[in-house]
Amino acid sequence: AQKITQTQPGMFVQEKEAVTLDCTYDTSDPSYGLFWYKQPSSGEMIFLIYQGSYDQQNATEGRYSLNFQKARKSANLVISASQLGDSAMYFCAMREDNTGGFKTIFGAGTRLFVKA
Amino acid sequence: EAGVTQFPSHSVIEKGQTVTLRCDPISGHDNLYWYRRVMGKEIKFLLHFVKESKQDESGMPNNRFLAERTGGTYSTLKVQPAELEDSGVYFCASSHLKQGVNTEAFFGQGTRLTVV
Repeated sequence: AQKITQTQPGMFVQEKEAVTLDCTYDTSDPSYGLFWYKQPSSGEMIFLIYQGSYDQQNATEGRYSLNFQKARKSANLVISASQLGDSAMYFCAMREDNTGGFKTIFGAGTRLFVKA
Repeated sequence: EAGVTQFPSHSVIEKGQTVTLRCDPISGHDNLYWYRRVMGKEIKFLLHFVKESKQDESGMPNNRFLAERTGGTYSTLKVQPAELEDSGVYFCASSHLKQGVNTEAFFGQGTRLTVV
């Protein structure tokens, strides 16, 4: 069974608007971390934001926020005020602290296109 | 602070040849990971080093892949002999323990391997 599901292979958003990239996950480990990474066309993987399973508040990092719905097992990424430079591939990822060792499991990714 | 660096950035080799990929993690990071993304598919975990020890190599596809991390610093991933299906982007990442908590993994820019 897939552990990380990203149902949107591609998304379009108008510049300066907000966009939500969906991510659902599956785990029985009570302690886990959720991550979002950005992969621009240059290929590198850039860490964006982290949410711990015990964190009470949703994580925010600048224009990025993570909408953490623990009961629904969703960890959607919200990008506010989209910029042309946000066009990239976005990966949702999870690390299970007790059962998964230290390895990170990735979703299939969502390609975001920001239109001028 | 230098990030995770990988060498080479691109490699094109013929089927049956040998290729060695190198990863230099962030200085002081004990955890080093190798991941692979085959065209159009998810990013898959290959293995995890803690210092020079292989902590988890459950993702290594077969015995044509050999990873080493002598001295607990840089790591190499050798593919011998390479097959067509080995083509993809190989990512290296590193992380460290901060107050007993494993931090997010920082990724290198990846090595794009093409086997022809």
